[in-house]
Amino acid sequence: RKEVEQDPGPFNVPEGATVAFNCTYSNSASQSFFWYRQDCRKEPKLLMSVYSSGNEDGRFTAQLNRASQYISLLIRDSKLSDSATYLCVVIFNDYKLSFGAGTTVTVRA
Amino acid sequence: GAVVSQHPSWVICKSGTSVKIECRSLDFQATTMFWYRQFPKQSLMLMATSNEGSKATYEQGVEKDKFLINHASLTLSTLTVTSAHPEDSSFYICSARGLSGELFFGEGSRLTVL
Repeated sequence: RKEVEQDPGPFNVPEGATVAFNCTYSNSASQSFFWYRQDCRKEPKLLMSVYSSGNEDGRFTAQLNRASQYISLLIRDSKLSDSATYLCVVIFNDYKLSFGAGTTVTVRA
Repeated sequence: GAVVSQHPSWVICKSGTSVKIECRSLDFQATTMFWYRQFPKQSLMLMATSNEGSKATYEQGVEKDKFLINHASLTLSTLTVTSAHPEDSSFYICSARGLSGELFFGEGSRLTVL
């Protein structure tokens, strides 16, 4: 089993729709969780950290479920500019991290 | 926020030559940096963990003699692709952990080996 798994998608949604997807992790001792966005041929950029209590940043909401070992990302009111690949990154300690293969989201007009 | 800078952004080289890529943390010290490779339309692949002052830890399947990593200071890690071949052509990215634990990625270095 992979340490971190994501649904690769693609999720094709119309503008204004809500899209949500999860990322599961296998190591229960994982410490930190993040969502990154990667555009084609660019480096990943931090979208948001994921806190135990859940957090929201504008149209983006991230949640952590430690019991079921997954994190989620929800995008409300999707914009065309949200089209990207979303990577979840799980950090176990200072020296070890793992990340999913990415979930592709395509928002269409 | 923290910034990680990579150089060069683009490099084209002849087969058999070696190419060095630098990764710098510009406003924070990074005892650990990570190197990745990404082929077109594929996901990131972690190649190795670079530790300041000690040997890098390579992921399974990554040749340590092929991809030399040096982390000589708290702000600089280098990846040298030795005797590069066309199949080494890829997008190489580094990252470092910021003060709050999040990862910051470099802009990436696109290597094309002719």
